[in-house]
Amino acid sequence: AQTVTQSQPEMSVQEAETVTLSCTYDTSESNYYLFWYKQPPSRQMILVIRQEAYKQQNATENRFSVNFQKAAKSFSLKISDSQLGDTAMYFCAFMKRQGGSEKLVFGKGTKLTVNP
Amino acid sequence: GAVVSQHPSRVICKSGTSVKIECRSLDFQATTMFWYRQFPKKSLMLMATSNEGSKATYEQGVEKDKFLINHASLTLSTLTVTSAHPEDSSFYICSARGTSGMGEQFFGPGTRLTVL
Repeated sequence: AQTVTQSQPEMSVQEAETVTLSCTYDTSESNYYLFWYKQPPSRQMILVIRQEAYKQQNATENRFSVNFQKAAKSFSLKISDSQLGDTAMYFCAFMKRQGGSEKLVFGKGTKLTVNP
Repeated sequence: GAVVSQHPSRVICKSGTSVKIECRSLDFQATTMFWYRQFPKKSLMLMATSNEGSKATYEQGVEKDKFLINHASLTLSTLTVTSAHPEDSSFYICSARGTSGMGEQFFGPGTRLTVL
């Protein structure tokens, strides 16, 4: 069964600095998709970044980038120039396809606080 | 683009009554929608997958007769909590599958259900 592990329950960073959130996953599939979602205090889940497993190039979205290590089954999120609005829960997710259905499997989340 | 709305945002009901929550994809058609439940400070738990025009697929342990799901159109799915009890109090979130082929999901803002 696919599992997603986020080993950092909480992290904090100073405004304008860089922080990296870790995520590892377990799967026997060779082709899959990985995502990072952000859930701010409003509780609206927001897609931050996505990565296709067959693409070696790491995905980047403005200040957000990933370090995708397929062999190590690692998918960390780097936030550069952290802003106060980045304060949120961050969930790593794995897209599981099974029998024609698709499911997102979420990690337990990392609570990130950006301090002024 | 890819906006999902959810209504109501908050609902309080008496024990034994039924509550309907609507999930709409506003600017795209969603053949597949998902319903999640989120407990305080926890990750999202998938309850069911809703496909337009067919019966929903429920996750193990989710009562089909208590959580009725209808996906009658390409932009609307509803979740009805029947004969609600205090233990059904939770934050319910819907999502709609995007159209990019990567399987990303776009989430509604959630509904806070309180059963007295």
